[in-house]
Order: sequence, then structure tokens, then C-alpha cells
Amino acid sequence: SQTIHQWPATLVQPVGSPLSLECTVEGTSNPNLYWYRQAAGRGLQLLFYSIGIDQISSEVPQNLSASRPQDRQFILSSKKLLLSDSGFYLCAWSRRSGTDTQYFGPGTRLTVL
Amino acid sequence: GEDVEQSLFLSVREGDSSVINCTYTDSSSTYLYWYKQEPGAGLQLLTYIFSNMDMKQDQRLTVLLNKKDKHLSLRIADTQTGDSAIYFCAEKEGRRALTFGSGTRLQVQP
Repeated sequence: SQTIHQWPATLVQPVGSPLSLECTVEGTSNPNLYWYRQAAGRGLQLLFYSIGIDQISSEVPQNLSASRPQDRQFILSSKKLLLSDSGFYLCAWSRRSGTDTQYFGPGTRLTVL
Repeated sequence: GEDVEQSLFLSVREGDSSVINCTYTDSSSTYLYWYKQEPGAGLQLLTYIFSNMDMKQDQRLTVLLNKKDKHLSLRIADTQTGDSAIYFCAEKEGRRALTFGSGTRLQVQP
């Protein structure tokens, strides 16, 4: 069966510090991978999606970036965090074909102070 | 452009039925989904429906799709306190990633 992990679960960082959030998927190969942000009490905002290694699309301009160094690893990064980067970050995966149902990880709660 | 809208809040009593509604604008949507998010957790897929279907039932869950009006609903029969959560509808069209609504917070009162 497939599982998706996110690390860390929670993170408190000062403004201006760097960020690295990790997402890994097990039990499948060649998945589509996604990063979402959920601000407090709000819906999901798609940040990045990837259909393969080094194939990443950015949905919104921001100070965040994403990388996919391995087939089942997706990393969200920032060089300098802003207060507005606080939120709940969710990673998801889907199969390349079929219904494109997305399966979500447990999320990372980021607080920027 | 695509847009998915949901009401923000719904309160029901335990044992009653809950109906969560969603409207979307993209008439070429192929699949529509319902996800559940409990506090502090990721999203859990509840069910999905293909756009050529009108209804799908899975135990206590019934999904109704009115493609003409671009209206999707999720009915939860015999709602329990454990059903309290945020419910998201989402649509997929072609090769695009899913578009999510803003979520409906369901509160179940004992």
C-alpha cells in the first residue's frame, strides 16, 4: 500500500530564516506530487506540482521554491521566511493516469514569528 | 477560469442528515471529489464521482451531481459527532491539478 510522509510535523521559525519541508511517498513510482498551503480557517492554495524529477510547475509567485531530487521526494524551501508564510503545508500525490485522485500527507504546521 | 464555492458553516444535531453543497463553474470537469479534514490533520478522501454519473452512494454517504446546474452535494445520513470536520469539494478538468473549494465546517451537536 502507498503511504505519504511529511517532516517535520510542526515548525516555529523566525522571520528571515530559511525553510526546508520534506515530503516522501512510499509504495508507488512516478507519482504526481503537489504542495498546498492552507492559511488558518481557509481553503487550500496550490503552490507547486510536479509530474517528474526536475519537472515542477509553480502556481503562484512567492518566496517559496520546490525541488524534486528523487522520484518520490518533494521538498519545499525558502531562503528567507516572511510572516505571511505561516500556515499548514500539505503534500499530496496522485497516479499519472486514472481519476487523478490526490492523497494527502499529515501536514506541517509552520509558524513564522 | 475555474471556481469552486461552498458555504462556510453547517450545524446539525446528532442523528440528523447533513447536506453539504458545492457549486463549480467548469463544465468540462471530469471528476468531482469530497475530502474530509479533521483538526490538525491532512485531507482524507471520502468519495469521488465521475461527471457522467448522477448519484453515488457509499454507506452513509450519498453524492448527488447536477451537471446542468454544476451543483454537487454530499449527504451524510445519521450524522455522528465524529463527522465534525471541514469538508472540501474539488473538481478536476483535463490535465489540471484539482481545484478545491474553501471548505465547509460541519459542527455536529449532541
